[in-house]
Amino acid sequence: DIVMTQTPLSSPVTLGQPASISCRSSQSLVHSDGNTYLSWLQQRPGQPPRLLIYKISNRFSGVPDRFSGSGAGTDFTLKISGVEAEDVGVYYCMQATQFPLTFGQGTQVEIK
Amino acid sequence: VQLVQSGGGLVQPGGSLRLSCAASGFSLSDHFMDWARQAPGKGLEWVGRSRNKANSYSTEYAASVKGRFSISRDESKNSLDLQMNSLKTEDTAVYYCVRVYGRAFEIWGQGTMVTVSS
Repeated sequence: DIVMTQTPLSSPVTLGQPASISCRSSQSLVHSDGNTYLSWLQQRPGQPPRLLIYKISNRFSGVPDRFSGSGAGTDFTLKISGVEAEDVGVYYCMQATQFPLTFGQGTQVEIK
Repeated sequence: VQLVQSGGGLVQPGGSLRLSCAASGFSLSDHFMDWARQAPGKGLEWVGRSRNKANSYSTEYAASVKGRFSISRDESKNSLDLQMNSLKTEDTAVYYCVRVYGRAFEIWGQGTMVTVSS
């Protein structure tokens, strides 16, 4: 199975300041079709997860442009350019390149 | 476009439970659909996949549920089911149905709690 490792596990951020979450996979996420199926999800307290980013860097419909994704191969990053109060929650990276699909442990973003 | 889940509840170890996920605003038969779960206070775990009608609704399962859980569809109700048998205490979790698009978990149901306890 592909192991997804996120750092940090907790990220206290001042409102308006940037935040960055790293996700590393135990093997390359490049699929035989040439795509890299790495997504980022946000889970606000008491809510189901919500898709933010797919295929490394594509923002899903309705996602603010302060969220951006980057990376390649086994190393990926989610950045929030200026954290807002509504961004509080847990962020997960997820790979869908290979079965079983796997998630990172989650990173808690909170306001200082 | 939404997914509305039903079912869930308290069941004894070794028991069975069936979860349902009704789609509105789109036809389930056109889409790959997955189930994921989240144990209390824990992270996300993938449970299984049902491919779309064009792919004969073929399925994949996580090793932890293979042989005990099965995913099926009811076209007449535009719904997706998760039949869970031989339940274990470690199956206690919130279960989510998810619409998949381009291998991304695009739309999530509201979740339904399953508690396995004596």
